[in-house]
Amino acid sequence: GIQVEQSPPDLILQEGANSTLRCNFSDSVNNLQWFHQNPWGQLINLFYIPSGTKQNGRLSATTVATERYSLLYISSSQTTDSGVYFCAVFSGGGADGLTFGKGTHLIIQP
Amino acid sequence: KAGVTQTPRYLIKTRGQQVTLSCSPISGHRSVSWYQQTPGQGLQFLFEYFSETQRNKGNFPGRFSGRQFSNSRSEMNVSTLELGDSALYLCASSLLLSTDTQYFGPGTRLTVL
Repeated sequence: GIQVEQSPPDLILQEGANSTLRCNFSDSVNNLQWFHQNPWGQLINLFYIPSGTKQNGRLSATTVATERYSLLYISSSQTTDSGVYFCAVFSGGGADGLTFGKGTHLIIQP
Repeated sequence: KAGVTQTPRYLIKTRGQQVTLSCSPISGHRSVSWYQQTPGQGLQFLFEYFSETQRNKGNFPGRFSGRQFSNSRSEMNVSTLELGDSALYLCASSLLLSTDTQYFGPGTRLTVL
């Protein structure tokens, strides 16, 4: 099945810093989503972005489907941005549901 | 609109027992998917239901089963619980297709002793 790799696995930053999280996938996809998992375990949908660029406040995402990667940008980080960020994809058939990467654990220090 | 709800939020069971978890999707959503999250395996797809029919299934043993009702609410059942079934079980709903945007519930944290 499709492989999803996220980097870096861990990231510690000071409040106010900017960061870029990367997601590489091994095959063509027809759905790519970015999620933030809060400390209580809830997965919050950030972007649905199979291709192109989207922005939502301090967050933006870019997916280059032809090169099989996606980037999540977080600007002016706040402590509430801490948590785990997951990239998840559907491969062409979608028969296996969303395939998740292992996530990037982000810690924003005050 | 209310989000995806899951009950119960926490559950403790012993080996050999069975458990049923419930998920109510966002109003109007007809697809419900279930995922298991463990520290070792990460997030893994269990199954997806649409119009009361299982549409897709992940690579889990037959002890894991589910169903969907006419109002799109879904339940999953795990029989003969094993220690390794301890996990966070997450339910997601989407409008029609499993490839639509997925919205997740808060999860049920199951501990098997």
